[in-house]
Amino acid sequence: NAGVMQNPRHLVRRRGQEARLRCSPMKGHSHVYWYRQLPEEGLKFMVYLQKENIIDESGMPKERFSAEFPKEGPSILRIQQVVRGDSAAYFCASSPYQHTEAFFGQGTRLTVV
Amino acid sequence: KNEVEQSPQNLTAQEGEFITINCSYSVGISALHWLQQHPGGGIVSLFMLSSGKKKHGRLIATINIQEKHSSLHITASHPRDSAVYICAFQNTGNQFYFGTGTSLTVIP
Repeated sequence: NAGVMQNPRHLVRRRGQEARLRCSPMKGHSHVYWYRQLPEEGLKFMVYLQKENIIDESGMPKERFSAEFPKEGPSILRIQQVVRGDSAAYFCASSPYQHTEAFFGQGTRLTVV
Repeated sequence: KNEVEQSPQNLTAQEGEFITINCSYSVGISALHWLQQHPGGGIVSLFMLSSGKKKHGRLIATINIQEKHSSLHITASHPRDSAVYICAFQNTGNQFYFGTGTSLTVIP
């Protein structure tokens, strides 16, 4: 049973481009969480999704950021028109049910140049 | 004020020492997590607990709900335990709040 898979591991984008980060949850997990870790800072919650639904997006910036978790395929965190301040490590985690242990992916390190 | 307070921020120990990392939180929770993050690496979930105590190998996690406090203990520490240990709690709305982490270095 593969763990939570995130790709790419490293992503470089120029200012103004779009970044797409993918997260494949563990088999049987229908809950996905995205977190951001800015340089020299702790993890911050961004969004919680269940298959085809956004449950809680209170940690998402209001503009340029969106997330989805379609019925088929990975969860996608999309950042439009990236800026230097978006450079961070983005982690996703998955769990089989609400309020159960979540398992983390290796993260995607986004660098905006 | 952060909802989660961790201490110490940095910790250096000699190999073999017993290590304790503390975490205090200020609101009601449904679960508390201890995570491990290696330099340049991903995050591993060590424990999830909502009461009592859990043990996995040389790691022990405890939680006191009344005092809103949790501890992570490492017995017989080893250099490979060097990492950042993060305490996080999950509230009833399933949101996660993270501590700033404790950077542990175990010297041979």
